[in-house]
Parts: sequence; structure tokens; C-alpha cells
Amino acid sequence: GAVVSQHPSRVICKSGTSVKIECRSLDFQATTMFWYRQFPKQSLMLMATSNEGSKATYEQGVEKDKFLINHASLTLSTLTVTSAHPEDSSFYICSAMKRGGEQFFGPGTRLTVL
Amino acid sequence: TQLLEQSPQFLSIQEGENLTVYCNSSSVFSSLQWYRQEPGEGPVLLVTVVTGGEVKKLKRLTFQFGDARKDSSLHITAAQPGDTGLYLCAGARISGAGSYQLTFGKGTKLSVIP
Repeated sequence: GAVVSQHPSRVICKSGTSVKIECRSLDFQATTMFWYRQFPKQSLMLMATSNEGSKATYEQGVEKDKFLINHASLTLSTLTVTSAHPEDSSFYICSAMKRGGEQFFGPGTRLTVL
Repeated sequence: TQLLEQSPQFLSIQEGENLTVYCNSSSVFSSLQWYRQEPGEGPVLLVTVVTGGEVKKLKRLTFQFGDARKDSSLHITAAQPGDTGLYLCAGARISGAGSYQLTFGKGTKLSVIP
């Protein structure tokens, strides 16, 4: 199988604080991980591609200084939402790519910024 | 931007009925993946189709990839209440950085009424 975990599953924070979300591939190594954002009743929107040992590639319109991505190892990528505001409240989902291109998704992190 | 049109957006049917979900694009994808997502969870991969004209069966689910690799369909036979969920298609392409990226359709929210 291919298991991807995310932590935390749910976080509530005050406006202006930073929040870190971890994404781990538990039973395989992933040189590439992806971060998505999903608003209610909408599909997944790719935010950035995280490559192990190199800088992340951000999609158009995604602020790299606001959404910091670190892919420190072949099994871990982190997304830090800096100075979070209520409009950053969303469901953040990561995925890890296996050789061959299949992506396996984490369970998601619900972020609520008060 | 490679758009993936998914239809219908909503579908409510009686238990035992058949249904088909469509995914269409003007672009060619290297592969196409179908996912199912439960509320508050990440998408779970159902199948990946790679070859034009390919047909894959997963119990009561039949997936087809168009000959030109631009479209796909998901057919469910004798739907059960347990099939209720959000079905997402995603086209895979190789990005400029050489990694696979997924473009998601908007999803089909299926409700199967007992």
C-alpha cells in the first residue's frame, strides 16, 4: 500500500500566528510531494510542488513567502502558513508521488483562523 | 491551464440504478486517475488509466480512457448507498520541472438513496 499521513488533522489559531502542517509518506519514499487547498464544495487546487532537497515550485497566485514549504527528507514535507488570516481558513491536503506518477493523498488538515 | 470538465456535478439516484460520470478535456494527458473523497478526508485513489481506449473494472465500477487520452468515464452498476461520495477525476501531465502534476475536475457529488 501507500500511506500518507498529515499532522495535525485540525488546527484553530488566532489571526497573525503561523501554523505548520506536516506530510509524511509512511511506507515509501517520495521525491515529490504536492500541496493542495480545497474550499468547501470545490475541487482541489494545486498550491505547490515540493521536491526533496530543492526549492518548491509554486503555482501562479500562490505567495511563496506566505506558504513556506520545506521538503527535508524523502518522507517528510512541511507547509507553514505564516501570519495566517481568516481567508487562509481552508482544507489543506498533501500528496506524495510514487514512481510511475501515482499520487497518494493524506487525510487533510482543516485550518481555521479566527 | 489544462481544464478538466467533469459532469454531472451532482447526482442523486435510487439504490440499484446505474450511472455514468464523465471527464472531458481538450488536452491530452499522460494518464488519468479517479479518486473518491469522503467529507473531511483526503481523496482515495480508485484507479489509474494510462493507455488510450483502456478499460478497467473494479467490482461494480468500470473506468474507461478515451482513445485520444483526452476524456474518461466512470460507470457504476447497481449503485449502493455505500457508493455515496465525491468522485474526482484528475489528469496527469509532466511539468516543466519533470514531475507529474494532477489537474482535478470539479468533482461529482453522488448520493445513492436506499
